[in-house]
Amino acid sequence: AQSVTQPDIHITVSEGASLELRCNYSYGATPYLFWYVQSPGQGLQLLLKYFSGDTLVQGIKGFEAEFKRSQSSFNLRKPSVHWSDAAEYFCAVGSNTGNQFYFGTGTSLTVIP
Amino acid sequence: GAVVSQHPSRVICKSGTSVKIECRSLDFQATTMFWYRQFPKQSLMLMATSNEGSKATYEQGVEKDKFLINHASLTLSTLTVTSAHPEDSSFYICSARDPRGTSGNEQFFGPGTRLTVL
Repeated sequence: AQSVTQPDIHITVSEGASLELRCNYSYGATPYLFWYVQSPGQGLQLLLKYFSGDTLVQGIKGFEAEFKRSQSSFNLRKPSVHWSDAAEYFCAVGSNTGNQFYFGTGTSLTVIP
Repeated sequence: GAVVSQHPSRVICKSGTSVKIECRSLDFQATTMFWYRQFPKQSLMLMATSNEGSKATYEQGVEKDKFLINHASLTLSTLTVTSAHPEDSSFYICSARDPRGTSGNEQFFGPGTRLTVL
């Protein structure tokens, strides 16, 4: 069965510290992987995506993610967190047709001064 | 990238009334759009897949007679919550698949509609 797991419901980091948000997936075919960010009351903004090629992908706002097929993971990282990064982060896996989209349960990020 | 809009952004209605939410793809034609529901502090749950010119495909457990979906054109899908009840209060988000190029595997999301049923 297809699924996405985000093991961390909530993470708190200090501003300027590094960040890693975990994402594990279970998918029967070639996965297309995404990270989205959602601010309170807002829609989803795409941070980055992986379709193929280089397994380390760069996104907006200084985020990057690494696809590790052997671990079925697609963890999101940022070397230095800013207070404006506080939000909800969702990992998602999609099919190659773009129709089936599965979201993780999200990780809420709090940034403390 | 492709832009998807939703209208209204917020709506408050009385119990028993119907509410229509619009989802538009602004700079591309979307043969397929998706409707999601998000409860507070939870993830997005796919409600239905809306296909232009044909009936929507509903996920298990979603009442098709309560959540009417119409995809009358390549740029517009509407979700009508009929006979709304307080438990229908939620954040509804639509997305559209841009069939062009490598973006064909990506869904572009609207900003969401906050529905409150009194």
